[in-house]
Amino acid sequence: KQEVTQIPAALSVPEGENLVLNCSFTDSAIYNLQWFRQDPGKGLTSLLLIQSSQREQTSGRLNASLDKSSGRSTLYIAASQPGDSATYLCAVIGSGGSNYKLTFGKGTLLTVNP
Amino acid sequence: DTGVSQDPRHKITKRGQNVTFRCDPISEHNRLYWYRQTLGQGPEFLTYFQNEAQLEKSRLLSDRFSAERPKGSFSTLEIQRTEQGDSAMYLCASSLYNEQFFGPGTRLTVL
Repeated sequence: KQEVTQIPAALSVPEGENLVLNCSFTDSAIYNLQWFRQDPGKGLTSLLLIQSSQREQTSGRLNASLDKSSGRSTLYIAASQPGDSATYLCAVIGSGGSNYKLTFGKGTLLTVNP
Repeated sequence: DTGVSQDPRHKITKRGQNVTFRCDPISEHNRLYWYRQTLGQGPEFLTYFQNEAQLEKSRLLSDRFSAERPKGSFSTLEIQRTEQGDSAMYLCASSLYNEQFFGPGTRLTVL
């Protein structure tokens, strides 16, 4: 059974700092990996999707990397802003028969202080 | 391009009552998913539709839960005889290919 772990559970940084969020998964046979942002009491906003054949994806100040063999992904946020404060969720889709359902980690709660 | 919409956004009900939630996916998205999220946890998969066909139901979906997607458009999730343990955020997502797009969720509180 696929398990996704996110470390740290919470992170507080001053504005302007670069930061890295970590995600690990137990079964390296994944179809893709998706990073989401969730504001309190809200739904999920898709940030980046990395296909299993890709090593990284970039969008603005965000860069996500994927190392399938080690079962790890990182989300790098450059020049953090208070508006980046949210919970960041990592999710994977397995490459087996159920290659459509996301398995999520518990998330990292990020606070960016002005 | 409108996103995924869900209705209602909040629902408070008494234990034992039935509730129904609606999800409208992004137009032309043929895949639709329901997830449930409890406080401090990541969302958990409940069920998946491709067009109007329900292709998988999680074991989390007891026989009190039923989901439909008539005509492959909007979907409904019904919970019968609600229990306090059903209190959660119910999230709907849709996709055309790999990337799933989520709605704002319906927060259910069972008293």
